[in-house]
Amino acid sequence: ETGVTQTPRHLVMGMTNKKSLKCEQHLGHNAMYWYKQSAKKPLELMFVYNFKEQTENNSVPSRFSPECPNSSHLFLHLHTLQPEDSALYLCASSQGTGVYGYTFGSGTRLTVV
Amino acid sequence: QKEVEQNSGPLSVPEGAIASLNCTYSDRGSQSFFWYRQYSGKSPELIMFIYSNGDKEDGRFTAQLNKASQYVSLLIRDSQPSDSATYLCAGGGNQFYFGTGTSLTVIP
Repeated sequence: ETGVTQTPRHLVMGMTNKKSLKCEQHLGHNAMYWYKQSAKKPLELMFVYNFKEQTENNSVPSRFSPECPNSSHLFLHLHTLQPEDSALYLCASSQGTGVYGYTFGSGTRLTVV
Repeated sequence: QKEVEQNSGPLSVPEGAIASLNCTYSDRGSQSFFWYRQYSGKSPELIMFIYSNGDKEDGRFTAQLNKASQYVSLLIRDSQPSDSATYLCAGGGNQFYFGTGTSLTVIP
């Protein structure tokens, strides 16, 4: 496998469920990100990890909980979500933070019912 | 509020024409700028980056940066139907801010 892989591709969950999104990168990058993409809105940065240390948390509600066990893997744990959390969740990686462009995964389309 | 703004379009150009996509940004401290292409139902794909004032060319794509005027543009020469996509502009320093994207349709 190459690039950035996200699973699952699609997820439907109830508001009381707990689920996790997984991201894995095979590029040897040191930084990983979670972004939320909603219709007609700019990509919203949620979390940044650099060398598996969290460096950014953009005022994300606590019902989203990230985990980065190593530089290649990133998880987003979800619990008691709201319907407005329905969106495309994109994982990305880059060689480092700052001047480097991102490689995005294919995303997880999340629907909260 | 640090923002990156783009005309959402849609922008339509005939095949073979030049497509011009524009982006402005509010943070004067922004140092790096990127253009991503996103096909419908797919994730964004990096196509160009620019750090210095002036033009940068890569094949049919030219990125232009003017830090004094705080704008970035992307020119696509000899536009092809396969260029039809949404183009996202991003800029920043330690953290990048994305625009909402410009939808481009190239008409055969």
